[in-house]
Parts: sequence; C-alpha cells; structure tokens
Amino acid sequence: EAQVTQNPRYLITVTGKKLTVTCSQNMNHEYMSWYRQDPGLGLRQIYYSMNVEVTDKGDVPEGYKVSRKEKRNFPLILESPSPNQTSLYFCATCDSSYEQYFGPGTRLTVT
Amino acid sequence: QKEVEQNSGPLSVPEGAIASLNCTYSDRGSQSFFWYRQYSGKSPELIMFIYSNGDKEDGRFTAQLNKASQYVSLLIRDSQPSDSATYLCAGLEGGKLIFGQGTELSVKP
Repeated sequence: EAQVTQNPRYLITVTGKKLTVTCSQNMNHEYMSWYRQDPGLGLRQIYYSMNVEVTDKGDVPEGYKVSRKEKRNFPLILESPSPNQTSLYFCATCDSSYEQYFGPGTRLTVT
Repeated sequence: QKEVEQNSGPLSVPEGAIASLNCTYSDRGSQSFFWYRQYSGKSPELIMFIYSNGDKEDGRFTAQLNKASQYVSLLIRDSQPSDSATYLCAGLEGGKLIFGQGTELSVKP
C-alpha cells in the first residue's frame, strides 16, 4: 500500500528541547515537503526536497531544519522549539503530475 | 507574493443542493489547480485537478477554470452530509503548490 508515515503523531514538549519529526514514504517519489497548518492561514510550506541531498526553503523555514540523506526519508528538525511553532505538521510527497500525497499529520504543542 | 484566496466560510447548504466553492489567484503564471478535501483532524486528500480553461467533471464534482478572470471553482452536486469538510484550493507555480486558506463546507441533512 502506498503511504506516507509520520512519527510521532502527537507531541507535547517544552521550549528549547530539540525534537525531530520523522517522515517516510514508500512510493519512490523524488519530491518531498513539509507543511504547517494553522487556523486561518491554511497550509504553508516549510521546506522541500527535489531529491536526495537537495533541499530548499519554503515560505516559513525559520526555526526548522531538514535533511534528505536517502530517498524515502525526510525528517523535520526543530533545534530549539518555541511556542509559536505549535501547529499541525504534514509531510507530503509529490509524483510527476504534482499530485501531493500527505502523511497523517503531527500535532505539536510547545509550552 | 503569489496568493490563492478562498472565502473561509463556513458555507452551509442543505442536503441534495449544489455547493459552490470559489478560489481566486494572483499569479497569471499559475497553470494548474488542485482541489483537496480535508476532514477535521485528517490530512488533505486530492479531489480533482484542472489545467485547461473550462469545466472538468468527475462524478458529482465539477471543477471550473477561467484563466482570464483568474478564478477557479468547485461545484458539488447532490451534496451529502459526508461532504462536510474543509476544501483547499491550490495553484501550481514553478513546481510549488500555493494553498488557499480553505473553505469550510457544512451540508445539513
């Protein structure tokens, strides 16, 4: 079954404690991206990756890092989380027709 | 700043009616548009995409694109309570999807 998985699904943490949200896909897609979704603001792209070792900033990259060491994985790293990073995060992959396949989402709360 | 605008709603229609969801975009370079449905607490799922002027139909859904007016719409015929969700419009520009804020649709039995 084609799928995008994210872990953890829910996370409550404290300001400044480094965390990583993992994303993995089994569709062999080259393009992967991370979005955050906030009420009234829709989906905003954080980072994207066109292929292994190729990453670029989206619209709201501040406070986030990513890496793409292998095709199937695209982790999102928050080195020093702050309360304004409390949000719902989605990982997505994209096929050649630009159809996006979203993961189930990670709800992050930073206190 | 390239933008995709949607009325956040909520849009309320009775069961069996036609729901009309609208989206405008600012970048004339946008070539393709996507409609996603998102149930509360779930991830977005693709309903339709359209890249040519005119209408595209798929079951109860019809997407309409008017590039001259920079306007995209989604019509849902015979609306069902199960159609109640947030509908996201997205435009493709330079290999990147720009999403609107989403329109919340409520279909009343």
